[in-house]
Amino acid sequence: AQKVTQAQTEISVVEKEDVTLDCVYETRDTTYYLFWYKQPPSGELVFLIRRNSFDEQNEISGRYSWNFQKSTSSFNFTITASQVVDSAVYFCALSSPDTGRRALTFGSGTRLQVQP
Amino acid sequence: DGGITQSPKYLFRKEGQNVTLSCEQNLNHDAMYWYRQDPGQGLRLIYYSQIVNDFQKGDIAEGYSVSREKKESFPLTVTSAQKNPTAFYLCASSPTSREAFLETQYFGPGTRLLVL
Repeated sequence: AQKVTQAQTEISVVEKEDVTLDCVYETRDTTYYLFWYKQPPSGELVFLIRRNSFDEQNEISGRYSWNFQKSTSSFNFTITASQVVDSAVYFCALSSPDTGRRALTFGSGTRLQVQP
Repeated sequence: DGGITQSPKYLFRKEGQNVTLSCEQNLNHDAMYWYRQDPGQGLRLIYYSQIVNDFQKGDIAEGYSVSREKKESFPLTVTSAQKNPTAFYLCASSPTSREAFLETQYFGPGTRLLVL
């Protein structure tokens, strides 16, 4: 069975602070895919990143960066110099298409509030 | 514009009534998914379809039904057997590929279902 844990229910920061959202996953599959989605107040999930299990390179995209560590089964997300527009719920998710689980297994989400 | 549309945005159900949520995509994606989101929780899989005229139950399929008669459309019916239907329903689609790492799910804007 797959599982994704986002232990931080809610985080509040002041604008321009850096913030890291934690994600820990469990899977028995050797090939899997990790995702981060952003859910603004409108409700639609916005795709941010996909990471394949065989690629442990960290990734940076503007103010966003992701740290994937297979040794600790973690896929953490850092926002540098946070902005009010970053306020949203962020979901980490996992899939294993090669073993039949194409659908996403989601964590419970972390609500990020960025105060001006 | 290419994308996923869901209608209606809000839907009210009376006791004992079946209601149908619409999901349409023009992304030429083979796979489509329905997820349910309860307050403060992650998304859970209801049904998914990898190809036209075929669909599979997800983790919480009881009280729901679907059809996939066209590639573009994947309607979800919430039946009277679903005793706690109040939730936010999200539809997603993705390409299917021999290269599974290319499969990223993209989401519609969601439908909020309320029971009168």
